Amino acid sequence: SQTIHQWPATLVQPVGSPLSLECTVEGTSNPNLYWYRQAAGRGLQLLFYSVGIGQISSEVPQNLSASRPQDRQFILSSKKLLLSDSGFYLCAWRATGQSNYEQYFGPGTRLTVT
Amino acid sequence: AQSVAQPEDQVNVAEGNPLTVKCTYSVSGNPYLFWYVQYPNRGLQFLLKYITGDNLVKGSYGFEAEFNKSQTSFHLKKPSALVSDSALYFCAVSLNTGGFKTIFGAGTRLFVKA
Repeated sequence: SQTIHQWPATLVQPVGSPLSLECTVEGTSNPNLYWYRQAAGRGLQLLFYSVGIGQISSEVPQNLSASRPQDRQFILSSKKLLLSDSGFYLCAWRATGQSNYEQYFGPGTRLTVT
Repeated sequence: AQSVAQPEDQVNVAEGNPLTVKCTYSVSGNPYLFWYVQYPNRGLQFLLKYITGDNLVKGSYGFEAEFNKSQTSFHLKKPSALVSDSALYFCAVSLNTGGFKTIFGAGTRLFVKA
């Protein structure tokens, strides 16, 4: 079966520090991968998605970047965190194929920028 | 532009009563519609989807949803609510474009009182 991992689970970082959040998927090949941010426990904002290694699409211009160095690894980064980067970050995957449309989410990383 | 609206921030229902969580959408072309549920400090879990076919779709935990093309709605329903159904529910629409991006509604918090 497929599994998605995210780490760390929680993170407290000072303003101006770098960020690296990692997401890995097991049990599938060539998934579509997504990074979302959820603010204040409500709506999800799509940040980045990837349809393959090295292919990143950015949805919202901001202080973050994403990379996909391996098929099942998706990394969210920042060189200098802002207070507004605080939130709950969710990684998700979708199997590519004719009948696979839903996304499956990781447990999330709660980031607090102080 | 594609969008999803969940008109109720919160729905309150007594245990054993039927529940409805409303969702309307705006999308060009045929919609791919989803419901997800989120428990506190967790990632989203897929509940059910409408892709094509029967307008009434059944999903996990006894939930179902009805696709209504003329009203562009996809309301989530359950005949008899449980206290354990209390959570945050998201309606979503996916675009059959590169990356199969998904747009989420703002979420509806469901409270089921014993």
